[in-house]
Formats: sequence, C-alpha cells, structure tokens
Amino acid sequence: EVQLVESGGGLVQPGGSLRLSCAASGFNFGTYWMHWVRQVPGKGLVWVSGVHSDENSAIYADSVKGRFTVSRDNAKNTLSLQMNSLRAEDTALYYCSRSSGWIFGLWGRGTLVTVSS
Amino acid sequence: DIVMTQSPDSLAVSLGERATINCKSSQSVLKSSNNQNYLAWFQQKSGQPPKLLIYWAFTRESGVSDRFSGSGSGTDFTLTISSLQAEDVAVYYCQQYYSDPLTFGGGTKVEIK
Repeated sequence: EVQLVESGGGLVQPGGSLRLSCAASGFNFGTYWMHWVRQVPGKGLVWVSGVHSDENSAIYADSVKGRFTVSRDNAKNTLSLQMNSLRAEDTALYYCSRSSGWIFGLWGRGTLVTVSS
Repeated sequence: DIVMTQSPDSLAVSLGERATINCKSSQSVLKSSNNQNYLAWFQQKSGQPPKLLIYWAFTRESGVSDRFSGSGSGTDFTLTISSLQAEDVAVYYCQQYYSDPLTFGGGTKVEIK
C-alpha cells in the first residue's frame, strides 16, 4: 500500500527540540521530493520544508530557517525533520507529503507537536 | 513570497447546486516557458489530511469526480463544484508551486444550505 506515516510528535517546552519522522512505503521513495507541511488545528496549511530526491538540496520557510533541518534516508525510505529552538507558534499538526514537481499528491495523517511549558 | 488569497471564506450551497471558489495570487503563476499555471487545489475533510483535486490549474487528479473543475490563468483561478453533494462538505485550499516558498490560500469552507 502506498502510504506515509508520521511519528515523533509530542509535548515539548519552549526552546526544546523534537525530531519527526515519516516512513514511506509502497512507492519508489528515492525519486520524489518530500515535504513537511503544518497546520494549526482549525487553521490553514503552511508549507515548512522540502528536500530533493538526491538528499542534498533542501528548502525552508523563513519562519523555520536556521531552527529546523530536513533530511532523508533513501535507503530506509524515511524523511525526518529536526526541530530545534521550538516556539509556541510551532504548535501544529505536521504532515509529511510526497510531491511530483512540487505537486503534493500524497499525504500522511500527521503527527501533533505541542510547544508549551 | 507569492500570497494566495481565497474568497469567500465560507459558503453554503444547496445540494445539487453549483459552488464556486476563487483564488487570487499576488503575482502570476503562469510560466511562459511551458505555458503552465503552477496552481493546485486541495480538499480537506474534517479530521483528514488534504487530498489533491486539481493541478496545473485544471488537470483533475486520477479518481477525482468530474463534478470538480478548475479554471483560470495568471493570477485568477476558480474551483467549481458543478452539483454539490453531501460528501463535498470540506475546506478547499489553493496552492501555488511556481516558486519557493510554496504557499497556500487561507481556505474556503463549503457547507450544505
């Protein structure tokens, strides 16, 4: 089955760190751009970061640049997001998404990150 | 950054009637090199992840009902649901993939009148 499954979310204090993972299955992971998109419950979608299939090229939203690092392991079909210096405004449901030419065609169900003291 | 503005924020339509959602980009998302509009539409039902409906402004994703159609070019786009069904109740988002950062519209909530 073609799917993406996120994990790693949870409650973290402001200034803390968290690492999200996305396990991909059922498709040739190494040939797609992969992204993180977040959504505050009840609010809109916000793109966070993306990484090229070659594992080397990454792009970020300004709001997370310098704090978040996206990476992937094509051998393990896994996408990751290392989140440091977390702020209350980073609280959201984080989705993993597969794109073809930046068209988001496949989404996971998300993992919830809550930043609070 | 390209700002995507959707209207209306919400609309209520009777079953079987047409629903129209508008999306405006702050700059053109039409690439002259290939004459393609880098614009997608998503449907998000309550408690679910987004689902791709349309890309390249009017190309329907495989398996998506032909009730859904996209139109427009440049900076102005429209998603039309030709005959609203109960299962179409959702929030709809437009998104540009013309340039980084990738940006979404604020969403339009569609309900049954």
